[in-house]
Amino acid sequence: SQKIEQNSEALNIQEGKTATLTCNYTNYSPAYLQWYRQDPGRGPVFLLLIRENEKEKRKERLKVTFDTTLKQSLFHITASQPADSATYLCALRDSFSGGYNKLIFGAGTRLAVHP
Amino acid sequence: DAGITQSPRYKITETGRQVTLMCHQTWSHSYMFWYRQDLGHGLRLIYYSAAADITDKGEVPDGYVVSRSKTENFPLTLESATRSQTSVYFCASSEVGPKNTEAFFGQGTRLTVV
Repeated sequence: SQKIEQNSEALNIQEGKTATLTCNYTNYSPAYLQWYRQDPGRGPVFLLLIRENEKEKRKERLKVTFDTTLKQSLFHITASQPADSATYLCALRDSFSGGYNKLIFGAGTRLAVHP
Repeated sequence: DAGITQSPRYKITETGRQVTLMCHQTWSHSYMFWYRQDLGHGLRLIYYSAAADITDKGEVPDGYVVSRSKTENFPLTLESATRSQTSVYFCASSEVGPKNTEAFFGQGTRLTVV
């Protein structure tokens, strides 16, 4: 069956350290993968997109890698701050015959950055 | 205002009632999505639409109906609400293409079925 898996356990780290979150998928062949941030009581907000032909993408303190062989994406936040505390979700588009796409999300990993 | 808006923000309804959640976007995005979010399950896709009059099922479509007669609106109807449909519902829109592929989410509708 098709699955997107993220670590369901919360990740607790100290301020200033690098947070690394994992997204694994099975039985999908996505052209790209996205990462979103969700704060309590709010809708997810887009952070980064990485395409299948890109190994790594950076945006300020964020870095995403995409390994299509391992079927895995890693999301890194360097020099983490308490304001980075949130739930982070990975998502991919699943293509169907007819060319239509649906956007599928993992369950998300909650990150808590402690001062 | 530009963006994507959901209404109502909060809704309490009784089992067996029909309820419609509204979603409106001002960008003319082709794609629109409905998700429900429950503890332990993350965001699960209910229905999506690739354009006006084109809709398709997601992962958990049972008990829901959608329509998309206009590009900007994508209402979600619970035909006969059940307690298991108590959840937070999110609507999203996006384009599909080389650059504009991020999804924009509404603020959510918290639905309680009693």
